[in-house]
Amino acid sequence: RKEVEQDPGPFNVPEGATVAFNCTYSNSASQSFFWYRQDCRKEPKLLMSVYSSGNEDGRFTAQLNRASQYISLLIRDSKLSDSATYLCVVLTSGTYKYIFGTGTRLKVLA
Amino acid sequence: ETGVTQTPRHLVMGMTNKKSLKCEQHLGHNAMYWYKQSAKKPLELMFVYNFKEQTENNSVPSRFSPECPNSSHLFLHLHTLQPEDSALYLCASSQEGGWVAFFGQGTRLTVV
Repeated sequence: RKEVEQDPGPFNVPEGATVAFNCTYSNSASQSFFWYRQDCRKEPKLLMSVYSSGNEDGRFTAQLNRASQYISLLIRDSKLSDSATYLCVVLTSGTYKYIFGTGTRLKVLA
Repeated sequence: ETGVTQTPRHLVMGMTNKKSLKCEQHLGHNAMYWYKQSAKKPLELMFVYNFKEQTENNSVPSRFSPECPNSSHLFLHLHTLQPEDSALYLCASSQEGGWVAFFGQGTRLTVV
């Protein structure tokens, strides 16, 4: 089983739609969780950290479910500029090993 | 954003060449990383340095040789690479493990 799994997509959604991605992780000792965004041929950039209580940043909401070992990202009112690959990142406590998922590709259509 | 800078941005090298990738971070971080990103694959962690000491070597072939002279600079020395080593090589840094990692723009390497 992969350490971090994501549906590669692509998710094709119309502008204004709400879309959600999930990411599962296998190591129950994982302590830190992040969502990164990567545009084509660019470096990954932090979108948001994921906190135990869930957190929201504008149109983006991230949640963590430790019992089921998954994190989620919800994007409301999708914009064309949201088109990118969204990477789930998991870090085990006491290590420096940031483990990346393969990413979920999102295409927002006009 | 120039917090983490990588040079060169693009590199084409023959299988018998020797080249080096350079990474510099201006964020005052303690940890630096090399990642490899191949098409259709997740980012693969190669090496981790914390306070100049290597803490992770993710079973990387010896044709890749990292060097970390100080907490702000990280190099990846390349020699006798194979075509399958062609990929985007990304450098990152973080304050500590568990904190956000910031990435450089990457070096797109093509081995011919």
